[in-house]
Amino acid sequence: DIQMTQSPSSLSASVGDRVTITCRASQPISTYLNWYQQKPGKAPNLLMHTASSLKSGVPSRFSGSGSGTDFTLTIINLQREDFATYYCQQSYSAPFTFGQGTRLEIK
Amino acid sequence: EVQLVESGGGLVQPGGSLRLSCAASGLIFTDAWMSWVRQPPGKGLEWVGLIKSKTSGATIDYAAPVKGRFIISRDDSKNTVYLQMNSLKTDDTAVYYCAWSGVTWLDSWGQGTLVTVTS
Repeated sequence: DIQMTQSPSSLSASVGDRVTITCRASQPISTYLNWYQQKPGKAPNLLMHTASSLKSGVPSRFSGSGSGTDFTLTIINLQREDFATYYCQQSYSAPFTFGQGTRLEIK
Repeated sequence: EVQLVESGGGLVQPGGSLRLSCAASGLIFTDAWMSWVRQPPGKGLEWVGLIKSKTSGATIDYAAPVKGRFIISRDDSKNTVYLQMNSLKTDDTAVYYCAWSGVTWLDSWGQGTLVTVTS
């Protein structure tokens, strides 16, 4: 099985900041990497698929990059509604494993 | 707009069984790959399994912790996917989400249904 490791596990930032979350796969997954945002008590929402393709309707302050084993999710000009938990997921081969999550908190 | 509505969660004893349903609308269900994902209380997301469309061979994949105990099936005439959970363990306690896989990513999610396994 492919293991997905996110870092950091938690992150404190302020409104207007730029933050980067990293996701590493235990073996190459091309660009089969997706990012989700989850707010407390809610279902996750897809932010980005295939490493860098923003889902329609997601603000352009979110961006993704990477291929192979190393990926990043970057959020610029953080807004209050961005404080949430973020998960990466590989969809290269089953089981389609998730990272452990990165909790983004307000400083 | 895609809508997914899970049902069937509840309280069950260890060793028991439960069947979850997920009713879908707003998509061409016969073409849809449908997934189940769970989230134990206070923890992260765990992929449970996937059933592909009939045109993709209706292949089913499972995560190792549930393989042999859980069965995913679909009824295209009812736009519904099911998760039959047998031999339940306390570690299976979680919110269970169904999700529509647009291609290989989980494009839309249901609201989730809570399964609690306890004696």
